[in-house]
Amino acid sequence: QSVLTQPPSASGTPGQRVVISCSGGSSNIGRNIVNWYQQLPGTAPKLLIYSYDQRPSGVPDRFSGSRSGTSASLAISGLQSEDEADYYCAAWDDSLTGWVFGGGTKLTVL
Amino acid sequence: QLVESGGGLVNPGGSLRLSCEASGFAFNDYCMAWIRQAPGKGLEWISYIGSGGNTIYYADSVKGRFTISRDNAKNTLYLQMNSLGVEDTAVYYCAKDREEWELLHWFDPWGRGTRVIVSS
Repeated sequence: QSVLTQPPSASGTPGQRVVISCSGGSSNIGRNIVNWYQQLPGTAPKLLIYSYDQRPSGVPDRFSGSRSGTSASLAISGLQSEDEADYYCAAWDDSLTGWVFGGGTKLTVL
Repeated sequence: QLVESGGGLVNPGGSLRLSCEASGFAFNDYCMAWIRQAPGKGLEWISYIGSGGNTIYYADSVKGRFTISRDNAKNTLYLQMNSLGVEDTAVYYCAKDREEWELLHWFDPWGRGTRVIVSS
């Protein structure tokens, strides 16, 4: 059971907008930044969004992040087939004194 | 760039030492982490080490069994794993964190991972 809760799956058709949620608590998302990682099939995870809503260079602006209270969201607009991947949220947890990840959301592009 | 090595097949109760060789950045300035992924499962952070090696954190699942360390002269991060159980079977990734004085942290980049299989 992950400390951060994500839906196990999400899907959309090309061009659609998809939102993936990440629910936590006051000791993690409530007081610390949220980062998102993308893991394409058979590859290592890659930083996708950092500090709630910042994109590393090279990440398309179709990807955006936000936070509200103890939850965070990753939005992907203009969905493309290459976006099919697993997406993970992560935050530092002050109570556990460690990083916590969401269980991951498998995005399928129909 | 980060390249992990040292994975393999080990018997339950055995030990293994993983290495992560870093290049392309000032290794001694950056915090580092180990994260693992069991087969078909999600990501699990297991350990963090500050740039000088003085600040160390572990996940409860590995505390007392795993030891993280670094050799800044060799640009290498290590993970000594003892008393391994079948639940430790996973791909182990090392990841670069930020400089220790930074308030905000994230993992970028990640290595390709090294596979550890604990089985008799």
